[in-house]
Formats: sequence, C-alpha cells, structure tokens
Amino acid sequence: DAGVIQSPRHEVTEMGQEVTLRCKPISGHDYLFWYRQTMMRGLELLIYFNNNVPIDDSGMPEDRFSAKMPNASFSTLKIQPSEPRDSAVYFCASSLELWAEAFFGQGTRLTVV
Amino acid sequence: KQEVTQIPAALSVPEGENLVLNCSFTDSAIYNLQWFRQDPGKGLTSLLLIQSSQREQTSGRLNASLDKSSGRSTLYIAASQPGDSATYLCAVEGYSTLTFGKGTMLLVSP
Repeated sequence: DAGVIQSPRHEVTEMGQEVTLRCKPISGHDYLFWYRQTMMRGLELLIYFNNNVPIDDSGMPEDRFSAKMPNASFSTLKIQPSEPRDSAVYFCASSLELWAEAFFGQGTRLTVV
Repeated sequence: KQEVTQIPAALSVPEGENLVLNCSFTDSAIYNLQWFRQDPGKGLTSLLLIQSSQREQTSGRLNASLDKSSGRSTLYIAASQPGDSATYLCAVEGYSTLTFGKGTMLLVSP
C-alpha cells in the first residue's frame, strides 16, 4: 500500500475562496482522522470517521469547516469561506482500529492570503 | 482535558551521544502512547507505540518507556546520528483519540 495519500501538497488561495483538501486512507483501515498543525497550537484533531461515519467533530473550529467521507477510500475537508487564520498544515491519518497505530499522510500546506 | 507536554522544546547534541526526550501527560486514563518523528515539511512517521499495559518498547536504537501512573514517558535514543535530526512528537490516546505534545526539535551535529 502506498500509505495515506493527500492532495494537494500545497495550496495557496485568496481569502473568501473555497478550499477542498483530499485524502485517501490506507485500504482496510476503518478509521480516518483529520488534524491541523500550527506553530502556536501544535497538532489538533479536527474530526474522525469510523466506517465512513463522522464520530467526533468537536475539534472542527467553525461552521466554515466541513468534512465528508463518501466511501471507504476517500475523504474531503472543505473550508468555505477561507480566512488567513486557516493557514496551517492539514494532515489526514488512518488506522485499523481506534486505538491502533496511526499512519499519517504527508500533509497539505494551506496558505490563505 | 488531556494535556501533553514535551521537554525540552529543542535539543542540540554532537553525534554519538545518548539522549532522552521527555513527555508528560495530565490524564493517566490512556489506551496507548505513541512516539512520532516529523521531518521538515513532511508527515509524521510512527516510531513506537506502547500499550497502556506495557512499560516499554524497543526498536533498534530507540527505547520508549511508559509510567502511566505518574503520567510520563521517555524516548531514549542511543548513539545518535545526524540522520536522527527531526522533531519528535509524543501523543497519548484516550477517549478523544490522539492528543499531541508540541514536540522536541532535535539536531544532531556531525
């Protein structure tokens, strides 16, 4: 397996635009996680899915953020409208079970200008 | 709310030294603890996972210990090499999945 695949690797967008980040988890992993990493706050969990169902979205900062998992091999994190303070690296991770080893993607570096 | 603290925030050592990275957490009700490595501009690579019932895990030159009752873990790196230079993150898994520390940035100079 190629591991967790995220796209794009880098995204620069203007304030107010819609941004969509994509993730392909490792095949067979039932859990998918979205994290955000900033210098100030470190890594924070935004939302996680189990078998394509959102379980805990308490980390999603605002209604501008939404995440979907239409099938076992694909998830999106959408920000609409984007703001400069959303600039961060967004990571997707997957695991076999909730308390099993987590495997991370390479991340998407988002810059909102 | 679980809080994870890593000390030191940065560490610079000459090649060949043995070193210890520290991690502490406030809520001892955890399922496991993971140590990750992050290279600049890259994702996280899992190094070691210690289940809550275990005391330590070893992989090559790395040894991680866990003292759940005191809320502490250490990552020991033996005979450090320049290739070990990276940020090392500790994460504890509890009810709200992984909670991360802010990491220790390690620089090993030749």
